[in-house]
Amino acid sequence: DAGVIQSPRHEVTEMGQEVTLRCKPISGHNSLFWYRQTMMRGLELLIYFNNNVPIDDSGMPEDRFSAKMPNASFSTLKIQPSEPRDSAVYFCASRPDSYSNQPQHFGDGTRLSIL
Amino acid sequence: AQTVTQSQPEMSVQEAETVTLSCTYDTSESDYYLFWYKQPPSRQMILVIRQEAYKQQNATENRFSVNFQKAAKSFSLKISDSQLGDAAMYFCAYSTFAGGTSYGKLTFGQGTILTVHP
Repeated sequence: DAGVIQSPRHEVTEMGQEVTLRCKPISGHNSLFWYRQTMMRGLELLIYFNNNVPIDDSGMPEDRFSAKMPNASFSTLKIQPSEPRDSAVYFCASRPDSYSNQPQHFGDGTRLSIL
Repeated sequence: AQTVTQSQPEMSVQEAETVTLSCTYDTSESDYYLFWYKQPPSRQMILVIRQEAYKQQNATENRFSVNFQKAAKSFSLKISDSQLGDAAMYFCAYSTFAGGTSYGKLTFGQGTILTVHP
């Protein structure tokens, strides 16, 4: 079975540009999470979707960040405009449903570098 | 808010030996889950083992086992017969119990880098 698929694997762009990260959850999983990993702050939850609806976006750092889930098989995390401090590894994870106590399955992450 | 602390930034072990990684957490909840995730240099986040707080029996997965001390809020990972492929960053994580108004939010520790010497 395919796991969580993220693209691109690496992204390098200049400050001020728009960045879009993509995620395809595991088929049949209704819960989707976006995380950011940095040396200083470790792994932080940015936003959580259930059945395509954002449930908890309290971790989204500021208005430059936005996330959408237009359907059950696709989500995007967008940064506009990007800044060097946004450089990090961004992970997407999915789980069967909101009230499942099953573990989250992670994608391979996107390493984002903002110059 | 729940917090997870891994007090060992780095650990090392000889191949075939045993190593224990420490983790403590803070919570006022009685039902929750604890996890250990492995992150090798390839950057994947791989689930190693999972413990349900209401189960007294310590979880075991092949060479990996945990020592879960609920009263002490301690959750250590023991790796037996260490292999070169065990070298990675290891994260301890706490999850609220999913049910009612809670969705099972994961909180991670800062990680422990494990080096395995041949």
